[in-house]
Amino acid sequence: QSVLTQPPSASGTPGQRVTISCSGSSSNIGSNYVYWYQQLPGTAPKLLIYRNNQRPSGVPDRFSGSKSGTSASLAISGLRSEDEADYYCAAWDDSLSAHVFGTGTKVTVL
Amino acid sequence: QVQLVQSGAEVKKPGASVKVSCKASGYTFTSYGISWVRQAPGQGLEWMGWISAYNGNTNYAQKLQGRVTMTTDTSTSTAYMELRSLRSDDTAVYYCARAPLYQPKERRVDWFDPWGQGTLVTVSS
Repeated sequence: QSVLTQPPSASGTPGQRVTISCSGSSSNIGSNYVYWYQQLPGTAPKLLIYRNNQRPSGVPDRFSGSKSGTSASLAISGLRSEDEADYYCAAWDDSLSAHVFGTGTKVTVL
Repeated sequence: QVQLVQSGAEVKKPGASVKVSCKASGYTFTSYGISWVRQAPGQGLEWMGWISAYNGNTNYAQKLQGRVTMTTDTSTSTAYMELRSLRSDDTAVYYCARAPLYQPKERRVDWFDPWGQGTLVTVSS
């Protein structure tokens, strides 16, 4: 029972731009940072975006994050075959006093 | 490079306990915390809790309170997660991840990076 809601799937052709949404509430996204993690098939998750829109070193600038109110988005521009993965948003929730994850979105490159 | 290496897969019977280790290298262990996250087969990510490697303070997910204990050994830069009274729905891959707080002495956990390779725990009779 995830607190943050994401679409189950998203897809695009190589080179296209894909956007994934993450909907929360005032106790999580509305008042705390948002993070995005990429999980390639059979591997551990990897930090993609931290503190709403910051990229760790080594993450291509094709990935960008944004936040507005109680929602956040991850955009992948110039989609590549190696971007095919599951993507999770996350945030701290003040009401639960816990870190919460989104339901996850599977990105398919057509 | 910063790295977390976890212990190997475990098979346990219902009611038993499991203890997973997570050995850190490439950074000052006591300058960060460690979060534990699990993922049931085909499911999403679930945060289990966090421990400070500096002073051992913990924050457990309410759902697991009373069944989980997180500890650290600063002499070996290793974190441990023990889960007791195992049930079939505890079958999952368990991950550790380096995780600081927003600010020292507060509760909010910041980013998770890097993650360990994961440890599969199977609970079956």
